[in-house]
Amino acid sequence: KAGVTQTPRYLIKTRGQQVTLSCSPISGHRSVSWYQQTPGQGLQFLFEYFSETQRNKGNFPGRFSGRQFSNSRSEMNVSTLELGDSALYLCASRATEDNSPLHFGNGTRLTVT
Amino acid sequence: QKEVEQDPGPLSVPEGAIVSLNCTYSNSAFQYFMWYRQYSRKGPELLMYTYSSGNKEDGRFTAQVDKSSKYISLFIRDSQPSDSATYLCAILNYGQNFVFGPGTRLSVLP
Repeated sequence: KAGVTQTPRYLIKTRGQQVTLSCSPISGHRSVSWYQQTPGQGLQFLFEYFSETQRNKGNFPGRFSGRQFSNSRSEMNVSTLELGDSALYLCASRATEDNSPLHFGNGTRLTVT
Repeated sequence: QKEVEQDPGPLSVPEGAIVSLNCTYSNSAFQYFMWYRQYSRKGPELLMYTYSSGNKEDGRFTAQVDKSSKYISLFIRDSQPSDSATYLCAILNYGQNFVFGPGTRLSVLP
C-alpha cells in the first residue's frame, strides 16, 4: 500500500507570494491533517479534514487554509507569505476511527526569502 | 505547564546500548500513546501505538505506559547507528487532536 505522498518536496518563495501544497493520503484513509514543523516550535497542528469538511483547526492565522476533495486528496494554501512561514509542512492521514494513529508523508520544505 | 514534555537531548550512546526515551503528560484523560521516529529530511514514521498501561514489545523496541504517573517510555535494545534519529511521543484523547512532544534527538555512535 502506498504511503502518504506530498508534492512538491521543496519550494522557495518570496515574501508576499502565495503557495499551494498537495497531499495524497493512504488509500482508504478519509482523514487528512496538516502540521507545521519548525526547530523552535516542533509539530504544530494546522487543520484536519474528513470527508471534505474541516473537522478541527489549530491556532494559525487565516492566511493558512486548506481543502479536501472527494477522492480525499488535500491541498493547503498559504497566502501573503512571511519569513516566519519557512518550515517543513507535513501531511498525515489516518483511518476513520477517532483513535487511529497518524501516518505522515515526507513533507514539503518551504523557504520564504 | 505544557501538555506533553520530553527531554530534547541530544542523547548520544554507544552502539549496542539500551536507550530509554521518556515523555510526561499532564492530562489524565489521554488514552492513546504513540512513538514516532523521524530521520533528517523525512516525515515522522509510526513506531509504536498503545492504549493501555504496561509494556508493548516489537522487536528491539518496547513501549511502556504508566497512566498513574502520566509517564511513557520507549526502550531500544541493542541500539544501532541506524537508530540515530529524532523520536517524538504523541498522545491522543479520543475524538480530540494529537499532542506531540518536542522530540529527543538520538545519536548512536559506532
